[in-house]
Amino acid sequence: EAGVAQSPRYKIIEKRQSVAFWCNPISGHATLYWYQQILGQGPKLLIQFQNNGVVDDSQLPKDRFSAERLKGVDSTLKIQPAKLEDSAVYLCASSLLTGLYFGPGTRLLVL
Amino acid sequence: GQSLEQPSEVTAVEGAIVQINCTYQTSGFYGLSWYQQHDGGAPTFLSYNGLDGLEETGRFSSFLSRSDSYGYLLLQELQMKDSASYFCAVRVSKNDYKLSFGAGTTVTVRA
Repeated sequence: EAGVAQSPRYKIIEKRQSVAFWCNPISGHATLYWYQQILGQGPKLLIQFQNNGVVDDSQLPKDRFSAERLKGVDSTLKIQPAKLEDSAVYLCASSLLTGLYFGPGTRLLVL
Repeated sequence: GQSLEQPSEVTAVEGAIVQINCTYQTSGFYGLSWYQQHDGGAPTFLSYNGLDGLEETGRFSSFLSRSDSYGYLLLQELQMKDSASYFCAVRVSKNDYKLSFGAGTTVTVRA
């Protein structure tokens, strides 16, 4: 079974630029999550999708972050404009009731 | 809100036993998970306790006491490859696998 796929793996941008991350969950997993992990901290949930609907986006900074999951499969997370404090690893995860499975993450550095 | 407390660092020698404690205060509780994360890698699932008691998986064991809002991860026969960060995470939703993570414990194994 293929795992959660993410791209790109690394991204370096300057502040105020925009950036987008892509995630393809494990086949058949209806629930998809985006987590932000700042260096030295645990992952923090940004947004949760069930199929193509948003279940929880209470911790998503909506003035600069947006996410979508068209057709209930792939998802994209966008930051516009980026700030220095957005430097982090962005982890996509998907789940069935058996557990939560993470992708390799996108490491973002904002200069 | 969600609050999970775990020690920030633990150091031990090869072959030793390490216990990582986790106490939690969350608005919902449907189980305690443990994840391992190597530098630059994604969090990978280690264990899950939905009910009180001990779960054993090879060299790793996890314990939960819901009445004490407490759990621990026990790493036995430590190996160099066990050097990593370990996160406790509370499942906060009954119908999906939404997790709230602690800040992580860095385990360093020395020869």
